[in-house]
Amino acid sequence: QVQLVESGGGVVQPGRSLRLSCVASGFTFTSYGMHWVRQAPGKGLQWVAVISYDGSNKYYADSLKGRFTISRDNSKNTLYLQMNSLRPEDTAMYYCAKDRASRAAAGSIPDSWGQGTLVTVSS
Amino acid sequence: DIVLTQSPDSLAVSLGERATINCKSSQSLLYSSNNQNYIAWYQQKPGQPPKLLIYWASTRESGVPDRFSGSGSGTEFTLSISSLQAEDVAIYYCHQYYSARTFGQGTKVELK
Repeated sequence: QVQLVESGGGVVQPGRSLRLSCVASGFTFTSYGMHWVRQAPGKGLQWVAVISYDGSNKYYADSLKGRFTISRDNSKNTLYLQMNSLRPEDTAMYYCAKDRASRAAAGSIPDSWGQGTLVTVSS
Repeated sequence: DIVLTQSPDSLAVSLGERATINCKSSQSLLYSSNNQNYIAWYQQKPGQPPKLLIYWASTRESGVPDRFSGSGSGTEFTLSISSLQAEDVAIYYCHQYYSARTFGQGTKVELK
């Protein structure tokens, strides 16, 4: 079965950087796009970014473009999220999720999710 | 960005009764070339990640009980739970994938 395990979260000071990782198993990682979605404590879901199965296409939420970068290493079945210039409002649980559609150039929707990694931005 | 507005923000329903959640989009989610509405619905229970229920506005994900159904087209969509069960208590989100991606603000379903 699909397993997604996020890591890299923690407490970080405003203005610093953090890189999240998500190790995937139980499916052919190289055939599926991947998403990052975040959820601030007690708040709703916010889509962050998607990357196509081969890494050639990346799309971001407008509000996060320029600070966050999604990437993947298909040889390691691993998805990444590089977060720069972090702000207190970036405090959230960050979920990685597998895309529903196989080999979709622009991705589709998340259909399987990890348990998340918590990022807290605070001085 | 496309804005999705859900209504109501919360609702209380008795066991066995029908729950209806609405989602209104700031622009049409119907893609004319394939006649598909690019909207999905998710369920999230406390302490858990979301679970996909419905995609293409009305297609149930594998394993989702048939008491869950989606309908609508263009800018107005509905998620219905025909006979609420205790395990359906959760927050429900609509999600558009027509242009980038956005989620609605969520609707909390509780037992009356």
